[in-house]
Amino acid sequence: EVQLVESGGGLVQPGGSLRLSCAVFEFTFTNYWMHWVRQAPGKGLVWVSRINSDGSSTSYADSVKGRFTISRDNAKNTLYLQMNSLRAEDTAVYYCARGLGAYYYYIDVWGKGTTVTVSS
Amino acid sequence: QSALTQPASVSGSPGQSITISCTGTSSDVGGYNYVSWYQQHPGNAPKLMIYDVDKRPSGVSNRFSGSKSGNTASLTISGLQAEDEAYYYCSSYTSSSTLYVFGTGTKVTVL
Repeated sequence: EVQLVESGGGLVQPGGSLRLSCAVFEFTFTNYWMHWVRQAPGKGLVWVSRINSDGSSTSYADSVKGRFTISRDNAKNTLYLQMNSLRAEDTAVYYCARGLGAYYYYIDVWGKGTTVTVSS
Repeated sequence: QSALTQPASVSGSPGQSITISCTGTSSDVGGYNYVSWYQQHPGNAPKLMIYDVDKRPSGVSNRFSGSKSGNTASLTISGLQAEDEAYYYCSSYTSSSTLYVFGTGTKVTVL
């Protein structure tokens, strides 16, 4: 079964750092661009970042640019999101997601999410 | 890049049809046929329902259909069922630096 499994979430103080991981199963990771999408408590979905299949191209939402870094290890079938200088407004469930279609814009597989809480 | 605009809530009785709108600009919804729709039940991850404006993934009921006119995309649910009660989000590719934008989300209530 195609699966994405996130880990690494938790409670962190403002200004702190976290690294999220997303292990993928049962598909050829190197064929796909990947995304991170977040959802603050009681709020809607917000696109965070995406990376191309070989990791050579990345993009970020303006709200995280310069603070977050997306990367991937194709040998380990794992996607990462390094989050630095965290703010209260970064508190959310973070979903790892597989992109498809033109510009890999739509998401056909989602992980269950990992929760990040930024609070003192 | 602002979120695409959706109505906060839409409701209908079982068996009825409802339509959810998703309004953007010529830089996103109006400029590309790259609109997708997602269903999310509380506590769960989103599920893809429609892509490329009007295409259904395998396994999605044909009661769900998509369309677009100008800068507004729409999701129609026909033969409304209790299990359709959920949040629905549209999404589009955008020419802005953001690249991808979601809608504000719509809560569908089955009366």
